Amino acid sequence: AQTVTQSQPEMSVQEAETVTLSCTYDTSESNYYLFWYKQPPSRQMILVIRQEAYKQQNATENRFSVNFQKAAKSFSLKISDSQLGDTAMYFCAFSVDYKLSFGAGTTVTVRA
Amino acid sequence: DVKVTQSSRYLVKRTGEKVFLECVQDMDHENMFWYRQDPGLGLRLIYFSYDVKMKEKGDIPEGYSVSREKKERFSLILESASTNQTSMYLCASSLPTERDEQYFGPGTRLTVT
Repeated sequence: AQTVTQSQPEMSVQEAETVTLSCTYDTSESNYYLFWYKQPPSRQMILVIRQEAYKQQNATENRFSVNFQKAAKSFSLKISDSQLGDTAMYFCAFSVDYKLSFGAGTTVTVRA
Repeated sequence: DVKVTQSSRYLVKRTGEKVFLECVQDMDHENMFWYRQDPGLGLRLIYFSYDVKMKEKGDIPEGYSVSREKKERFSLILESASTNQTSMYLCASSLPTERDEQYFGPGTRLTVT
């Protein structure tokens, strides 16, 4: 079974600053996908960024980037230049056989 | 844009009732999923369907069943609702490739009293 651990239940960041969310996972698979999803308050969950385990290069999507350390089984998300609209719960997820295993989530609050 | 809709945003049922949660997607996705979301536990997979009439148990299938008679529709059934099934239920759909994202519905907050 795959497990995903997000050790930070809540984080707060000032607008325009940077915040990093941590995620570790445990698997015996060698090829898999990792995702960060965002769930804004009372809104639908959406994909933020994905990383393919066989790619060493870290994924980047605009202000969102990941630090993928395969040997350490670590997959952190960095949000740069935080905006008020980034306030949400963020879930790290791991995909094997089309099924996602999610972490418990980190609530990020961006302060004006 | 992919659209995943769920039949109700809020639902209140009594213990022992049979409950149906409906999910419809409009992008011809092969895969559909039902999760429950609880504070501190994240999302946990209840059931997964990769084709019409095909289903596979997820991590917590006990007390639930599913039905997929048409490609676009995936139903979650609570045969006899219990208070420990009070939760947020999320439906999702995706294409049948590992790298493809799942698209989520808005969720149904179910309260069983």
